[in-house]
Amino acid sequence: KQEVTQIPAALSVPEGENLVLNCSFTDSAIYNLQWFRQDPGKGLTSLLLIQSSQREQTSGRLNASLDKSSGRSTLYIAASQPGDSATYLCAVSPTSGTYKYIFGTGTRLKVLA
Amino acid sequence: DAGITQSPRHKVTETGTPVTLRCHQTENHRYMYWYRQDPGHGLRLIHYSYGVKDTDKGEVSDGYSVSRSKTEDFLLTLESATSSQTSVYFCAIGSTTGASGANVLTFGAGSRLTVL
Repeated sequence: KQEVTQIPAALSVPEGENLVLNCSFTDSAIYNLQWFRQDPGKGLTSLLLIQSSQREQTSGRLNASLDKSSGRSTLYIAASQPGDSATYLCAVSPTSGTYKYIFGTGTRLKVLA
Repeated sequence: DAGITQSPRHKVTETGTPVTLRCHQTENHRYMYWYRQDPGHGLRLIHYSYGVKDTDKGEVSDGYSVSRSKTEDFLLTLESATSSQTSVYFCAIGSTTGASGANVLTFGAGSRLTVL
């Protein structure tokens, strides 16, 4: 059974710092991986999708990498800002093609001004 | 929310009563999902649909049923609500992208259900 882990569960950093969020999964046979952001009391917003044939994706100050063989993905946030404060979740979909995404429990990020 | 509407957004009900949550999309996507989100558990898949009248169970489907009689609507029903079903329920649609047809999830705003 696929399990997705995100460590740390919470992170507090000063503004301007570059930071890395981690996502680990137990079964390397994934179809793709998606990173989301969730603000308190809100739904999830998709940040980046890494397809199985890709190793990384970039959007603005965000860069996500994927290493299927080691069962890891990282989300790199450059020059963090207070507006980046949110919970970040990763989700993986299996190669079975059913698109049943399995989520990690998230990392709650607080960027201090 | 990218053409996804959940209703109701908030509901308080009593144990043993039936509850139906509705997810409506305006984008004609094939895949729709119901997740629940609870502290310490993250998001867990309840049911999903891959077409009209085509549904399948997720990891926490006990106590829930779904129906999809038309592309745009995906209903989640709690036949007899229990306190353990107090949660925030999210609907999502899956849209394909890229040459590999990867499925991108887009979420609704959520429905907060409290069962007393």
